[in-house]
Amino acid sequence: SQQGEEDPQALSIQEGENATMNCSYKTSINNLQWYRQNSGRGLVHLILIRSNEREKHSGRLRVTLDTSKKSSSLLITASRAADTASYFCATPRGNDMRFGAGTRLTVKP
Amino acid sequence: SQTIHQWPATLVQPVGSPLSLECTVEGTSNPNLYWYRQAAGRGLQLLFYSVGIGQISSEVPQNLSASRPQDRQFILSSKKLLLSDSGFYLCAWGEKGEQPQHFGDGTRLSIL
Repeated sequence: SQQGEEDPQALSIQEGENATMNCSYKTSINNLQWYRQNSGRGLVHLILIRSNEREKHSGRLRVTLDTSKKSSSLLITASRAADTASYFCATPRGNDMRFGAGTRLTVKP
Repeated sequence: SQTIHQWPATLVQPVGSPLSLECTVEGTSNPNLYWYRQAAGRGLQLLFYSVGIGQISSEVPQNLSASRPQDRQFILSSKKLLLSDSGFYLCAWGEKGEQPQHFGDGTRLSIL
């Protein structure tokens, strides 16, 4: 069963705008991870945020985590056409990982 | 550095035929290994994972099986493919302890 649920399912923005994607989960976690998938390719790990962290940055990416609400958000600032991809949140559970259904981001040039 | 190889990239098979997809990892030892299936425009469904040689955990009862004959080799198999086995199959590896996973480029399987 899915652990993470992302919203929106699809997001279309203009180049230069910011993109925000949200993720909700159901059980307690030690960390939450975000991944990116270009069409027809494997997933690529973007960023990991631990349960005792509230915010983390990596380049143009900013991730927040609210464990009281069991939610996380991924912000991509100053988006580029090359950011067009699907973005997934994932929560590890022991030896396996639960992925959400993803947000499909389209950045128009 | 670590790399993961998954092949073939695309595969077209008739219903009822057997299947063997192979995944190998280089540059790490004793990794956790994973097989996922992804339907078009959907999230990932975990099929199998392995924490060591010969150790396979199945998440979903189905027409598929997995084996890990060597530390860095993970094989997905079927004796008789069904139409519902079509999809995008992804292999991944990760270190122990809820660490990020690293994915191969996937196999697009079409069943005719």
